[in-house]
Amino acid sequence: GAGVSQSPRYKVAKRGQDVALRCDPISGHVSLFWYQQALGQGPEFLTYFQNEAQLDKSGLPSDRFFAERPEGSVSTLKIQRTQQEDSAVYLCASSLETGGEPAYGYTFGSGTRLTVV
Amino acid sequence: GQQLNQSPQSMFIQEGEDVSMNCTSSSIFNTWLWYKQDPGEGPVLLIALYKAGELTSNGRLTAQFGITRKDSFLNISASIPSDVGIYFCAGPLTYNNNDMRFGAGTRLTVKP
Repeated sequence: GAGVSQSPRYKVAKRGQDVALRCDPISGHVSLFWYQQALGQGPEFLTYFQNEAQLDKSGLPSDRFFAERPEGSVSTLKIQRTQQEDSAVYLCASSLETGGEPAYGYTFGSGTRLTVV
Repeated sequence: GQQLNQSPQSMFIQEGEDVSMNCTSSSIFNTWLWYKQDPGEGPVLLIALYKAGELTSNGRLTAQFGITRKDSFLNISASIPSDVGIYFCAGPLTYNNNDMRFGAGTRLTVKP
């Protein structure tokens, strides 16, 4: 597609429920990133994929967070046993570059707003 | 947590005024980026800076990469209502740009 597409746009989950957030990157983009943006804050890095390989998951806040990109295109961020502190906007970004390149190629999606009640 | 400190946190200005915001860090960055985020959307890149001392313009926007590599500023001249939004500075902690850090943002309101 023309841009990075994320679904759903909004998700309300009961505490303890599992959720799955989807990201469709721009076709052909090698790199894919997930960020978490709490209310009133800037995005915080969660994890990075180069094609299907998850090269960096240092930002995932706990082992309840899991991300995959099995075929090197669509990615899913899964959160198990959601807690109230997981409430945030989850942003996906993709980039043509493979790293070691100037970081001007990021394109962000509109995000999924997760509310845990 | 955030390693980039943005100021001011928010600004309320009249249409036509110039705006200046900045970003500082205790760490050295090799790249500084400025993004704008509209409500309900993801951040959009405005300006990228790659060399210390670099001054770059994009229309009414001008940004500079500080000599110490620990700061940057963004100026907007002759503001218009569509400049409303949140402005973030960002930079990669590592050379390969995988770990982009963002400031907490400057929220700009422009009164017509």
